[in-house]
Amino acid sequence: QSALTQPRSVSGSPGQSVTISCTGTSSDVGGYNYVSWYQHHPGKAPKLMIFDVSKRPSGVPDRFSGSKSGNTASLTISGLQADDEADYYCCSHAGVSNVFGGGTKLTVL
Amino acid sequence: EAQLLESGGGLVQPGGSLILSCEASGFTLSSYSMTWVRQAPGQGLEWVSSISGSDSSTYYADSVKGRFTISRDNSRNTLFVQMNSLRAEDTAVYFCAKGSRGVYDIWGQGTMVTVSS
Repeated sequence: QSALTQPRSVSGSPGQSVTISCTGTSSDVGGYNYVSWYQHHPGKAPKLMIFDVSKRPSGVPDRFSGSKSGNTASLTISGLQADDEADYYCCSHAGVSNVFGGGTKLTVL
Repeated sequence: EAQLLESGGGLVQPGGSLILSCEASGFTLSSYSMTWVRQAPGQGLEWVSSISGSDSSTYYADSVKGRFTISRDNSRNTLFVQMNSLRAEDTAVYFCAKGSRGVYDIWGQGTMVTVSS
């Protein structure tokens, strides 16, 4: 149950695109199409942004997209906005458990 | 509107016990898998435990297995986690969330647990 690997931080200017990677193993990310992404503003409840690798819950703008290749999943945010600044976590099903990534702090410059 | 509200956090000594509750409103808790996730100070999110909506099977992270017990009271629409033999490393904000397989669509605001002498 080792945490998935994410970059500690990424940044971009308003209007630009950023991609956050999430690397696991064949026992989690690579083994299931159950990767989700969460936006977390400190002090608030995390918010589901992407599930099942690339699906968006109702209300999440299509600026947010997800993909996966092998053991690595990715979250892409296009048209960056100031309120996108937050911590982002990936999460993968892993059989009888689930595992989160270490989190990535997104800074909008 | 579906909501979750955690309670029961506080300060507890190492080796002590605590029960956290998570009251659901706007949906029937027993119809869904439910999960506890925690975040230690300055750290990331960590999956702790889940209970299946279909057959109440339970699942635990290795870090809490044998010490934590997840359960629910359908009559009260409430999820619980009984935490025993608490350690300093269990200090965290504990969130309850609706969902399974890593897909959690409703989260509570969290309750803080501090394990310290």
